[in-house]
Amino acid sequence: AQSVTQLDSQVPVFEEAPVELRCNYSSSVSVYLFWYVQYPNQGLQLLLKYLSGSTLVKGINGFEAEFNKSQTSFHLRKPSVHISDTAEYFCAVNSGGYQKVTFGIGTKLQVIP
Amino acid sequence: DADVTQTPRNRITKTGKRIMLECSQTKGHDRMYWYRQDPGLGLRLIYYSFDVKDINKGEISDGYSVSRQAQAKFSLSLESAIPNQTALYFCATSDGGTSGVNTQYFGPGTRLTVL
Repeated sequence: AQSVTQLDSQVPVFEEAPVELRCNYSSSVSVYLFWYVQYPNQGLQLLLKYLSGSTLVKGINGFEAEFNKSQTSFHLRKPSVHISDTAEYFCAVNSGGYQKVTFGIGTKLQVIP
Repeated sequence: DADVTQTPRNRITKTGKRIMLECSQTKGHDRMYWYRQDPGLGLRLIYYSFDVKDINKGEISDGYSVSRQAQAKFSLSLESAIPNQTALYFCATSDGGTSGVNTQYFGPGTRLTVL
């Protein structure tokens, strides 16, 4: 079985401040991890993914995430947020050999001017 | 043009009506999915299909049915809509394959309201 926990349902942050959105996963086998972003009134789009190799993954729009196997975490970070980053962010896990992807409940990032 | 399209984008219907949501993709992927999104619940899988002859139930399939008409088309039906099926519905595709990596590519969503 696999599961994802997003610890914060909403994160307010001032513009140009750093942000971290937290994600923990549970799986008994190797995993592939994803972050998706959903802008208002749009579908989800892939922000970044971890498949293997370097634990620091860089994505679009200046976001990055770090895979930490010992802490079963895949937190998303950005050093300086912009108003346009206001969106909902979903963490997702796909265990090796498991055919489905499990999504977290989402974290709403609100960037305050 | 968008790789994954959904029609309609918005629909308001009444309890008991039959509704069909359609999804088409030009990505050439074999795998297609239907999810619903509810506030505070994230995305939940309704049905998925790994090829035209393969249909599988997801975690919340009760009250829904699907049809995979072709590799590129995957439709979701609500046989008799009820108010708690009011939600945002997403179609997605993935290439999956031997790598086992199911990167999902989403359509723009259909907002369904059942009165």
